[in-house]
Amino acid sequence: DARVTQTPRHKVTEMGQEVTMRCQPILGHNTVFWYRQTMMQGLELLAYFRNRAPLDDSGMPKDRFSAEMPDATLATLKIQPSEPRDSAVYFCASGRTVSSTEAFFGQGTRLTVV
Amino acid sequence: AQKITQTQPGMFVQEKEAVTLDCTYDTSDQSYGLFWYKQPSSGEMIFLIYQGSYDEQNATEGRYSLNFQKARKSANLVISASQLGDSAMYFCAMREVSYNFNKFYFGSGTKLNVKP
Repeated sequence: DARVTQTPRHKVTEMGQEVTMRCQPILGHNTVFWYRQTMMQGLELLAYFRNRAPLDDSGMPKDRFSAEMPDATLATLKIQPSEPRDSAVYFCASGRTVSSTEAFFGQGTRLTVV
Repeated sequence: AQKITQTQPGMFVQEKEAVTLDCTYDTSDQSYGLFWYKQPSSGEMIFLIYQGSYDEQNATEGRYSLNFQKARKSANLVISASQLGDSAMYFCAMREVSYNFNKFYFGSGTKLNVKP
């Protein structure tokens, strides 16, 4: 059963530390999305990639967040330095093409910055 | 302006009854897609159903159907014969495809509680 895999599932870190979240998209999917979910803001699109190239990362705070796809099987979202307001659930989703009919989500990484 | 509006923060339904979750959207694009996702308490996001803007028939997937009214810009989710396992948050989403970019917008969600 193909699925998007995210690691870690949970992360607790101290303010100022670097956090790296990883996502393995479904094999053959060439579009990858990163979302952040909070109670206050709901689901926010942070960035998305097509064929490993970033198409839009305007939703991401540039000073501390970075997103990359070093290869087709791995997408990373990095926060450096982390702040308490970054505490959220971060979801990765993948889809087949730009116009694919669905995006499949991973189980999310619950990040807590203390 | 909100791209996706879900006006029902919470709803209750009796087991085995049907329930409609409302969703309205705002776009000036001709080509777009509408989605519903379910998020149970475990936190994962589960894709339920998709409707393309050019699809003339309402989408159906098992007990889920999407009541698509293009002129009214609404895409309500209908769950027939509710089950206890349907208790979850439900998110309506829209994808706009313009200039080869691909933007997803989510509503604030509706929390559905199915009562035995």
